[in-house]
Amino acid sequence: GAVVSQHPSWVICKSGTSVKIECRSLDFQATTMFWYRQFPKQSLMLMATSNEGSKATYEQGVEKDKFLINHASLTLSTLTVTSAHPEDSSFYICSAREPLNSGAYTDTQYFGPGTRLTVL
Amino acid sequence: AQKITQTQPGMFVQEKEAVTLDCTYDTSDPSYGLFWYKQPSSGEMIFLIYQGSYDQQNATEGRYSLNFQKARKSANLVISASQLGDSAMYFCAMRGVTGYSTLTFGKGTMLLVSP
Repeated sequence: GAVVSQHPSWVICKSGTSVKIECRSLDFQATTMFWYRQFPKQSLMLMATSNEGSKATYEQGVEKDKFLINHASLTLSTLTVTSAHPEDSSFYICSAREPLNSGAYTDTQYFGPGTRLTVL
Repeated sequence: AQKITQTQPGMFVQEKEAVTLDCTYDTSDPSYGLFWYKQPSSGEMIFLIYQGSYDQQNATEGRYSLNFQKARKSANLVISASQLGDSAMYFCAMRGVTGYSTLTFGKGTMLLVSP
């Protein structure tokens, strides 16, 4: 399967600072990437859909000014948590969708290893 | 709207036995895809298996098979010959019509494999 990397794998920051998380598709071009948030022992909650070269589509209830998403190339999307607060502490995980025109039939999303954010 | 229901919060199985993880879904889309992902304690979501709504045969990938019953709207995951490394959280997910549709996840089932 396709490989997606995420960096950093964990980060601890002070309240009020901004944190950038990178998501890269390593062996395919991803026109669409997705950002999820996961609280302990819960399922994944979609935050936004990131489309290369255009603005991200945010899910209802997700603050677009707080969670800035940039999909500047076909292999890289970034999530910046601005002015982070303790309630933003969570596991953030991205996925990349392997496009159908590459020969992939399933339109499967491949996930990165996740980033654990702790805001003190 | 799409909905995925996983009714088993936790399952226990002995090593080398088979186990079935339940998943039911609800959608009004005429075409859809069903996925199973494994999430070990490290947090990474690992893609296991996919079933398209129009696929005639049940999907299989090694020890994983998907028992797809369209009329019942169920897509149960069967793991044969369980291994200790299978202990993880398992999520069922679906997407609707092709394009930029997103995945809807169930709440997950924690599987524990004992020696």
